[in-house]
Amino acid sequence: DVKVTQSSRYLVKRTGEKVFLECVQDMDHENMFWYRQDPGLGLRLIYFSYDVKMKEKGDIPEGYSVSREKKERFSLILESASTNQTSMYLCASRGTGDTEAFFGQGTRLTVV
Amino acid sequence: GQNIDQPTEMTATEGAIVQINCTYQTSGFNGLFWYQQHAGEAPTFLSYNVLDGLEEKGRFSSFLSRSKGYSYLLLKELQMKDSASYLCAVRGTSYGQNFVFGPGTRLSVLP
Repeated sequence: DVKVTQSSRYLVKRTGEKVFLECVQDMDHENMFWYRQDPGLGLRLIYFSYDVKMKEKGDIPEGYSVSREKKERFSLILESASTNQTSMYLCASRGTGDTEAFFGQGTRLTVV
Repeated sequence: GQNIDQPTEMTATEGAIVQINCTYQTSGFNGLFWYQQHAGEAPTFLSYNVLDGLEEKGRFSSFLSRSKGYSYLLLKELQMKDSASYLCAVRGTSYGQNFVFGPGTRLSVLP
């Protein structure tokens, strides 16, 4: 079974803090994605990566950055957390020849 | 632009049939996906259509019309455990073939 693991289920951070959300997949997938999920808005793509050290902006990259130093790990960084970044963050991965994407269990981030 | 639309909420009765519609307008198309997401959990893959027509998988079926930009998910013999959000997503054709998701439909199955 494909496993996508996010480092935390729940996080509470203060405004202005630098926040790291980690995601690891164990299926040697080339493509990895970070989404945020908000009520009524669905999943919105923040950043994705199609190879090590490669990254592409999604629909809402402002206030975020990413790092992909190893194939299995894709990190989402909030440089200076703000209250409007309170959300559910979902990581996903997909092999190039695969059909569907596989999701991690999500990290619910609250910025106070 | 890219736009995917689906109803926000639906309610149905245990044992019944429910159809969840999805309409889309996207710049590239490489398949339409349906995911199920229970509250507080990760989305899980349900179905995939890339050609027009109906795909059946047990109690769940999914239909696609590319010319109309339309899909539906059909759930038969509804069970209480089917209460969840159902996400419609289109996979693009650019690098990474990332997914664009609709807002999701929250389905409540009542006894």
